[in-house]
Amino acid sequence: EPEVTQTPSHQVTQMGQEVILRCVPISNHLYFYWYRQILGQKVEFLVSFYNNEISEKSEIFDDQFSVERPDGSNFTLKIRSTKLEDSAMYFCASWSGTGYSYEQYFGPGTRLTVT
Amino acid sequence: QKEVEQDPGPLSVPEGAIVSLNCTYSNSAFQYFMWYRQYSRKGPELLMYTYSSGNKEDGRFTAQVDKSSKYISLFIRDSQPSDSATYLCATHAGNNRKLIWGLGTSLAVNP
Repeated sequence: EPEVTQTPSHQVTQMGQEVILRCVPISNHLYFYWYRQILGQKVEFLVSFYNNEISEKSEIFDDQFSVERPDGSNFTLKIRSTKLEDSAMYFCASWSGTGYSYEQYFGPGTRLTVT
Repeated sequence: QKEVEQDPGPLSVPEGAIVSLNCTYSNSAFQYFMWYRQYSRKGPELLMYTYSSGNKEDGRFTAQVDKSSKYISLFIRDSQPSDSATYLCATHAGNNRKLIWGLGTSLAVNP
């Protein structure tokens, strides 16, 4: 069964450092997403990516965040200068973008801890 | 504006009980509603989705949408300890299908 993978599973970084979270979406999917979940809070949409460009982003996704699909399989989220409040679970998801299937498949998440 | 509201629980039931999980939403434009299950330290997994009003059944799970009251429900029959997880309701908006989530309800089914 196809699955979304994410690496690393846990990332610890110091405030002000850059981090890159990596995801491999399902291969024939067209839409890619990043969400985050701060402990005890709702899952929040960060950004969607389609046709090699950002299609929508939330207020959270400011200039410190960027996404990239550097090749045909990886999808990355970069945080340029991490803050304490960036500590959260980050989930990557992908959607086929076709037909009547609305299922977004989620990866297992990366737990980011900023100290 | 709090778009999707969900009681976080926790909810604890004995094995075999019928479980009722609920959410409310604020925007009448929402049409697609999903229930995701999330085990500890895992990503959300889609259980069911429904369109507009009505019921949808899949095995022990039934999803229900009442658009007149902006209320969505998930019923689990004959609950099992393996159903112990956090259940999140969600809807999606726009062409990009970004998901808008409830807080999630933590469910424990006790043997």
